Amino acid sequence: DAGVTQSPTHLIKTRGQQVTLRCSPKSGHDTVSWYQQALGQGPQFIFQYYEEEERQRGNFPDRFSGHQFPNYSSELNVNALLLGDSALYLCASSYGALGYGYTFGSGTRLTVV
Amino acid sequence: GQQVMQIPQYQHVQEGEDFTTYCNSSTTLSNIQWYKQRPGGHPVFLIQLVKSGEVKKQKRLTFQFGEAKKNSSLHITATQTTDVGTYFCAGQSGGYQKVTFGIGTKLQVIP
Repeated sequence: DAGVTQSPTHLIKTRGQQVTLRCSPKSGHDTVSWYQQALGQGPQFIFQYYEEEERQRGNFPDRFSGHQFPNYSSELNVNALLLGDSALYLCASSYGALGYGYTFGSGTRLTVV
Repeated sequence: GQQVMQIPQYQHVQEGEDFTTYCNSSTTLSNIQWYKQRPGGHPVFLIQLVKSGEVKKQKRLTFQFGEAKKNSSLHITATQTTDVGTYFCAGQSGGYQKVTFGIGTKLQVIP
């Protein structure tokens, strides 16, 4: 039973560059949420995708965008990277609006230099 | 917007002692979820509470949801070194049931 798969696991980018992170949800899950977790902090909600549409969004600038594909996989794109974007990016999948808890992937550690 | 506060932020206990973390939401929740994140790992779902006043147990862990559905607690009895990690509460509410995480309580168990 495949859990949530994220790629890449680690990434180093230069300030101003663009990055794309990928997520494959757990089998049977149709909803994907993205979170940013800075060191020592709780996960901060970026946005959630359901039926290929962004259903809700947290307090993140438009530099953060995403996409969900027909197979429920998802991408997170960040443009014009800032040093402050360095964090662990977590993808979480669930089934439906009130899915019983999230299944998280292992995350992508993004370092912006 | 919805805020979820969690205390304490850090807790050091001697192995065998009890541990409690508390969670408080600024808004009434549909449910509260608890997650554990081991050092270097990702959050792992522990449990979800839905009903007002609900109490659930998982071995040495006891989870409570307040009567007003705005606060919750996690209590661990007789901690073990395997309990080390950060415990997050996460409140779900709103039209699309957004899940908001607390800052977490980092538990260190001294053998």
